[in-house]
Amino acid sequence: DTAVSQTPKYLVTQMGNDKSIKCEQNLGHDTMYWYKQDSKKFLKIMFSYNNKELIINETVPNRFSPKSPDKAHLNLHINSLELGDSAVYFCATTESGDGNYGYTFGSGTRLTVV
Amino acid sequence: KNQVEQSPQSLIILEGKNCTLQCNYTVSPFSNLRWYKQDTGRGPVSLTIMTFSENTKSNGRYTATLDADTKQSSLHITASQLSDSASYICVVIGSYNTDKLIFGTGTRLQVFP
Repeated sequence: DTAVSQTPKYLVTQMGNDKSIKCEQNLGHDTMYWYKQDSKKFLKIMFSYNNKELIINETVPNRFSPKSPDKAHLNLHINSLELGDSAVYFCATTESGDGNYGYTFGSGTRLTVV
Repeated sequence: KNQVEQSPQSLIILEGKNCTLQCNYTVSPFSNLRWYKQDTGRGPVSLTIMTFSENTKSNGRYTATLDADTKQSSLHITASQLSDSASYICVVIGSYNTDKLIFGTGTRLQVFP
């Protein structure tokens, strides 16, 4: 049973489309994140949620909207996709967002916008 | 300039050899420093976690060191194996923003037989 699972693993779509990436965790962790890894393999935080509440919203275009229907899920919806959105998106969880616990990452969703 | 810089950017070694990866950071004050291993097509997996008061932490053939005065950390891999081929990422959590990881630029390690 995968601890943090993301779907889909690969997503190829055209510019201008709207798409969603889903993340589910079965660890019972309170805090979930979305990270973006660019072509240079550099990971940067986008959002964090603690118990369904938005905690961090880095300078991400408002075309990106996270949604947490419950503590075990954090989905990422992207409107009007642009070429620059192509990247690998990672979902991650931690027991509590105070920096003292380990993080568990999903295996990533590779988004390609054409 | 990134708050967490790593060197070298990439490294090729032969199986069985040792290697050391470097991490310099400017995040201050910091809560803890972590090393992650990321295999191709996978998410990062934690290797070590060190608080500012720890100097060294081992996990099997991986040994991380930390010098909080010079803001440097290293990851030493002993007797490398082919499965060590991956990206190694240094990650810092600052004391003021304990809910976000600050990732380094990563070192891409390739181990050849």
